[in-house]
Amino acid sequence: TQLLEQSPQFLSIQEGENLTVYCNSSSVFSSLQWYRQEPGEGPVLLVTVVTGGEVKKLKRLTFQFGDARKDSSLHITAAQPGDTGLYLCAGMDSNYQLIWGAGTKLIIKP
Amino acid sequence: KAGVTQTPRYLIKTRGQQVTLSCSPISGHRSVSWYQQTPGQGLQFLFEYFSETQRNKGNFPGRFSGRQFSNSRSEMNVSTLELGDSALYLCASERDSQETQYFGPGTRLLVL
Repeated sequence: TQLLEQSPQFLSIQEGENLTVYCNSSSVFSSLQWYRQEPGEGPVLLVTVVTGGEVKKLKRLTFQFGDARKDSSLHITAAQPGDTGLYLCAGMDSNYQLIWGAGTKLIIKP
Repeated sequence: KAGVTQTPRYLIKTRGQQVTLSCSPISGHRSVSWYQQTPGQGLQFLFEYFSETQRNKGNFPGRFSGRQFSNSRSEMNVSTLELGDSALYLCASERDSQETQYFGPGTRLLVL
């Protein structure tokens, strides 16, 4: 069974701090997606990374795909209360199925 | 362009009952996928419909079923509800396969 493990499961930090969340697997994925989900809403796609070692930036968010395409990280610089939410990673397997992590619940306190 | 809509948004049922949830995809999208989301479990894939045909199916019991209509709207049905079926049920639409999925707000089901 393919699994994507996200860590930490929960993170609560002060506004202005930096943070990194991780998404790890023993399986190789052809691509990996990061989503943010806010209460009462469905997940919204933030980014898709495809190439091993790829780094993508979205304003204060930096996404990295591991060289072996088994893991990924999301780094947020100078976190703001608007960054609060559930961050989910999902990897595309060889059967074109999305395998989802359980998520990191992030709270940014003003 | 209107987003993905799901009805109802909230539902309370008792064990043994059945429930039908509805999803209207974004106009022009032919693929609809259903997921179950529970705390600590992430999203579990239920099934995907494309042009009225079930294209993929997750590892859920036969109590979970779905269908898609000619206008791409989809419904999922859960029969003989169990307490463990309490969850947020999300649907996502795509224009075609392997493209970006757009999620609806979900239907929160509570089974008592």
